[in-house]
Amino acid sequence: KAGVTQTPRYLIKTRGQQVTLSCSPISGHRSVSWYQQTPGQGLQFLFEYFSETQRNKGNFPGRFSGRQFSNSRSEMNVSTLELGDSALYLCASSRGQGARETQYFGPGTRLLVL
Amino acid sequence: GNSVTQMEGPVTLSEEAFLTINCTYTATGYPSLFWYVQYPGEGLQLLLKATKADDKGSNKGFEATYRKETTSFHLEKGSVQVSDSAVYFCALSAPPHNTDKLIFGTGTRLQVFP
Repeated sequence: KAGVTQTPRYLIKTRGQQVTLSCSPISGHRSVSWYQQTPGQGLQFLFEYFSETQRNKGNFPGRFSGRQFSNSRSEMNVSTLELGDSALYLCASSRGQGARETQYFGPGTRLLVL
Repeated sequence: GNSVTQMEGPVTLSEEAFLTINCTYTATGYPSLFWYVQYPGEGLQLLLKATKADDKGSNKGFEATYRKETTSFHLEKGSVQVSDSAVYFCALSAPPHNTDKLIFGTGTRLQVFP
């Protein structure tokens, strides 16, 4: 069974640009969550989608947005990039039947903002 | 609010030494508890989990017991190997359980030398 895939794996952008990251969950998984990992703040929850609906949202500014498609694939978008947005963005998927379930993580997209 | 506290790293051990990485949590209700591991350049992999008090999660020689009375979920391994060198994250998911949101500790880097 294929794991969670994320594209692209690496990205370099400049301040003020916008970026879109993509995540394909494990087949049959309906929930996709996004996390930001930085050396200073650690792993922080961005948002979670289940059946195309945002089910939960972390404490990030409105520049961070996401969506989920009918095939459960998800994208997240960051507009007006800032230097502090440089991070590893991780996507995780699960069947979405509750927090006792295992979340499976992708390899991440490493974003560098110059 | 809900939070996870892990011991600071790095933890440096010789091969075959005993490992303990401390993790305590604060949460409302009855959270589920997880240990994830991150190898260099990779995403997170679930190592083990426990979903109710007194449960013991185990995998690949690692163990952790959900202790409600001490709000702890310490990770242990009897004999570490060089290949165990990685960053270990303790995490929780708290009610309401109809969400996948994970709250992570800061991570503990383990370095094992031959």
